[in-house]
Amino acid sequence: NAGVTQTPKFQVLKTGQSMTLQCAQDMNHEYMSWYRQDPGMGLRLIHYSVGAGITDQGEVPNGYNVSRSTTEDFPLRLLSAAPSQTSVYFCASRPRGAGTGELFFGEGSRLTVL
Amino acid sequence: EDQVTQSPEALRLQEGESSSLNCSYTVSGLRGLFWYRQDPGKGPEFLFTLYSAGEEKEKERLKATLTKKESFLHITAPKPEDSATYLCAVRGYNTDKLIFGTGTRLQVFP
Repeated sequence: NAGVTQTPKFQVLKTGQSMTLQCAQDMNHEYMSWYRQDPGMGLRLIHYSVGAGITDQGEVPNGYNVSRSTTEDFPLRLLSAAPSQTSVYFCASRPRGAGTGELFFGEGSRLTVL
Repeated sequence: EDQVTQSPEALRLQEGESSSLNCSYTVSGLRGLFWYRQDPGKGPEFLFTLYSAGEEKEKERLKATLTKKESFLHITAPKPEDSATYLCAVRGYNTDKLIFGTGTRLQVFP
C-alpha cells in the first residue's frame, strides 16, 4: 500500500526554468491538495482538487498550475521558477466527505531555485 | 478569514515533564479541528479530529481538548520519541480547505 507518492524528492532549478512535481495516490481519494512549507510560515495551501476535472486555488496559487485528469494523479507545475519558490512541497489526499480532515501526506519534495 | 495560531513556537521538556500546547483559531463555523505530528524530513501524520467544544480525544501520552476558541494538546510524562513538530489545522463549513498553524516544535530530553 504505497499511499501518497511524490517525485522527485529533491530538485535544484535555475530561475526561469519550469518543472512539474508529480503526486500520485492509490487510495481512491477524491480530494487532493498541494501545500508548501516554509520556516515560520507553516503549511500553506497552493491548489486543491475535489475530483477529476475540478481544481481550485488555495492561499498562495500564483506561479503554480495544476490539473486533475485522473483520480490518482495531481501534478503541480512551476511555470517560471523564482527563488521565492524555494520550499518543501507536500501533496496530500483524503476522502471527500463531511467532517473529514484526515489528510494523508506524501514525503515531500524539496525544491531549491537558484 | 480562517486563522490558526499555535503557541509556543518551541518547547523543551525533560522526560516525564508534562505540558500543554495551544492552538487558537478563528473560523466561520467549525467543521473540525485536527492535530498532526511531523517528524523532521517527513510529511505530517494525522493524530486527532475534534468536532465540538468539550470533546476530548486520547492516544497514548497525548490528549487533545477543544473549546469554542482554542484547542490544547496535553502531553503527559513525555518520552524522547515524542519529540516532533505538532501542527493544528481547522476546516470551516462550506469549504474543502484545511488551514494550518505554524506548529510547535517539541523536544524531549532524557
